[in-house]
Amino acid sequence: NAGVMQNPRHLVRRRGQEARLRCSPMKGHSHVYWYRQLPEEGLKFMVYLQKENIIDESGMPKERFSAEFPKEGPSILRIQQVVRGDSAAYFCASSPAGQRSYEQYFGPGTRLTVT
Amino acid sequence: DAKTTQPNSMESNEEEPVHLPCNHSTISGTDYIHWYRQLPSQGPEYVIHGLTSNVNNRMASLAIAEDRKSSTLILHRATLRDAAVYYCILCLSGTYKYIFGTGTRLKVLA
Repeated sequence: NAGVMQNPRHLVRRRGQEARLRCSPMKGHSHVYWYRQLPEEGLKFMVYLQKENIIDESGMPKERFSAEFPKEGPSILRIQQVVRGDSAAYFCASSPAGQRSYEQYFGPGTRLTVT
Repeated sequence: DAKTTQPNSMESNEEEPVHLPCNHSTISGTDYIHWYRQLPSQGPEYVIHGLTSNVNNRMASLAIAEDRKSSTLILHRATLRDAAVYYCILCLSGTYKYIFGTGTRLKVLA
């Protein structure tokens, strides 16, 4: 059973460009979570999605950031008009159901560098 | 706001037990406590979780204080492969999001 997959693993964008980060959850998992990690810091929750629904986006910046989890295909975290402060590692996690007693399985992350 | 507090770093000798503490004084009755660890350039890896009772699994033990305001992750015999950043995490009532602490960087000495 393949784990959570994220691509690309490394992404370089110039200021003002768009970044698209993809996450394929583990087989059988229908819940996806996105986290951001700045250097030398812990992970910060961004958004929680189920298929075709955003459940909790309380950690998403109000502008330029969006997320989706379509019926078919991976979950996408989209950052428009990137700025240097967006440089971070972005991790996706998945779980079989939205219960707090379930562990979340994390992917290897996408490291975004904005130049 | 809910948060966890951990020491920045700890050291242990190989094959000795390690006790990693975490304070979560703002925890509420049904918040779960999770522990994950992270190796460089990797995603966090699940270690253990609990609610009220102490928990054991093949990786570690979790001791939860009676008032639940603190917990301790216990690695029974540290190996070099256990060197990582260990995160104490709260999963809050009514949500599914993890609130990460700043983590403890564990160094294991051969």
